[in-house]
Amino acid sequence: KNQVEQSPQSLIILEGKNCTLQCNYTVSPFSNLRWYKQDTGRGPVSLTIMTFSENTKSNGRYTATLDADTKQSSLHITASQLSDSASYICVAALYGNKLVFGAGTILRVKS
Amino acid sequence: EAGVAQSPRYKIIEKRQSVAFWCNPISGHATLYWYQQILGQGPKLLIQFQNNGVVDDSQLPKDRFSAERLKGVDSTLKIQPAKLEDSAVYLCASSIGQETQYFGPGTRLLVL
Repeated sequence: KNQVEQSPQSLIILEGKNCTLQCNYTVSPFSNLRWYKQDTGRGPVSLTIMTFSENTKSNGRYTATLDADTKQSSLHITASQLSDSASYICVAALYGNKLVFGAGTILRVKS
Repeated sequence: EAGVAQSPRYKIIEKRQSVAFWCNPISGHATLYWYQQILGQGPKLLIQFQNNGVVDDSQLPKDRFSAERLKGVDSTLKIQPAKLEDSAVYLCASSIGQETQYFGPGTRLLVL
């Protein structure tokens, strides 16, 4: 069964601190791994896309890692800001562009 | 570049009523998707169009849900009759082939 599991379910951190979100996936045939940010009341916005040959990819203060052997990915947020408060969704893409979504990690950044 | 447009943004109906959602994808995007996102869960694909043809509708509850994409541009998703469990956000997304999917803001449906 194709599935994506994320942890933690929710997280509260202080502004300026770093945090790391985890993702485990079981999909076949695997094409790429994506991280999306979804602000409340909005649609998801793509942060990073990594194929199985890529270990890390950055987008500003967001850095995603991928271990295709263990089928694990992480999203590291550096120097968090209040605007980082959102749901972060890990998505495994199969060939044919079929996406398998995780349930998301809800991040709240407090001042 | 304009993003994916959806309307209405919010809709409240009573069970057994009908409802329709509209989506206008990014210009030039041949692939269009409808997702259902229940509170606390990730989006679930309902139907995928390539131009005006259906690519995948395996998770669409066809007894009550229907979708069309006439002329291969904008699309409508209809629910008839609605059930309480249909309360969710309905997201439309579009892409150029296998590229990144761009999502609209969604339509939040509440069925009472």
